[in-house]
Formats: sequence, structure tokens, C-alpha cells
Amino acid sequence: DTQMTQSPSILSASVGDRVTIACRASQILNSYLAWYQQKPGRAPKLLIYRVSTLDDGVPSRFSGSGSGTEFTLTISSLQPDDFATYYCQQYHSFPWTFGQGTKVDIK
Amino acid sequence: EVQLVQSGGGLVQPGGSLRLSCVGSGFIYKDYWMSWVRQTPEKGLEWVASIKQDGSQKYYSDSVKGRFTISKDNTQNSVYLQLNNLGVEDTAVYFCARPSNGANSDLQNWGQGDLVAVSS
Repeated sequence: DTQMTQSPSILSASVGDRVTIACRASQILNSYLAWYQQKPGRAPKLLIYRVSTLDDGVPSRFSGSGSGTEFTLTISSLQPDDFATYYCQQYHSFPWTFGQGTKVDIK
Repeated sequence: EVQLVQSGGGLVQPGGSLRLSCVGSGFIYKDYWMSWVRQTPEKGLEWVASIKQDGSQKYYSDSVKGRFTISKDNTQNSVYLQLNNLGVEDTAVYFCARPSNGANSDLQNWGQGDLVAVSS
């Protein structure tokens, strides 16, 4: 199975900050990497797929990058609506696996 | 607008069974794979199962293989997850999800989630 490791687990930040979340895979993913945002009591919401493509309606302050086994989600200027938990996910091969999540909270 | 509406969760005793349902609208159901993902505070998000558009291929996580069965009824725009021989470790919120496109795909749309609680 492909292990997905996110860092950090918790990130404290302020509105306007640039935020970066890292995701490392135990195997090469060939760009089959997605990022999700989840708020308490809600389903995950797709933000980015294929490493760097924003899903429809996702603000441009979100961006994704990386290749091989190392990937990054960046929020260029954190907004109040962005305080949430973020997950990476590989869909290169079954079993699909998720990172353990990064909670972005208010500093 | 794509919508996935789930039902069927609840409280069940260890060893019991439950069937989760997920009805889709706003898209051509027969054209899409469908998946189930579950979530616990301890283990986070865990992919459970996926089924091909026509039901001819199914994939399961090792933790549920042999106990859970995914099925799809394109005439009812529905995907199901039959949960048998449940253990306390299966307690979770279960989500159905629709990929963007094909098997190797992100999960673009999600149901609202359904709690399955396994307890005596």
C-alpha cells in the first residue's frame, strides 16, 4: 500500500498568511494526487486534482505543486473561510490512501 | 447540480449487518465509477470500496474484504454498501463519493455522510 504522510499535523496561522502543507508518498504517484478541504461535520471538498489543477469554483489563492513522491498545497493568503483540515490523497493505485490531515487553525 | 444523498446508517450490534444506500442526481449515473470512504477520529479518512460503471469490477480495502459488498443499480441511480459481520472497528462515518472521471480519479462529489455505530 502507498503510505501518505502529511506535515505538519497542525498549523497555526493568521488571516493573510501564506500557508504551505506538505504531503509525501511512499511510492511515485504519476500525478495521481488530490487535495481536499474538510470542515467539522461536513464531507470533504475537492480542491485540487492531478497535483495542480483546481476544481471548479476553487479560489485561485489555492495552488498545488510537486512530482514523484513530494507534493505541496499552498494557500497564498489565508482567508477566514480557509480554517479547516486538509487532506492529500493518492489515486494512483488501489487501495487509495489519504494523508492523516493537517488542521489549519487560528493563531 | 450533482447530489449524492445517503441513507441506511445507524446503531448495530457486533456481528450484525447493515446496508448503506447512496442515490445520485444531476449526472448520468451509469457513466461513473462510485466509491465508499469512511472516517474515524483515530484513523482519519479510509477508502473502503469502489465499483466500475457497470458493476463488472469491484475493489475493496483489506480491512473490509470478505465482509462488505459494494453494488450499483444504474436503473435506480444508486450505489450500495452491504456491511456484514460488523466489528467495533467499523464504527465510522461512511461517505459515498463520485470520481471526476474513471477509475484513477479524484473524488469530486461526496454524499453527506452516514454514521455507522457498532456497539453492544
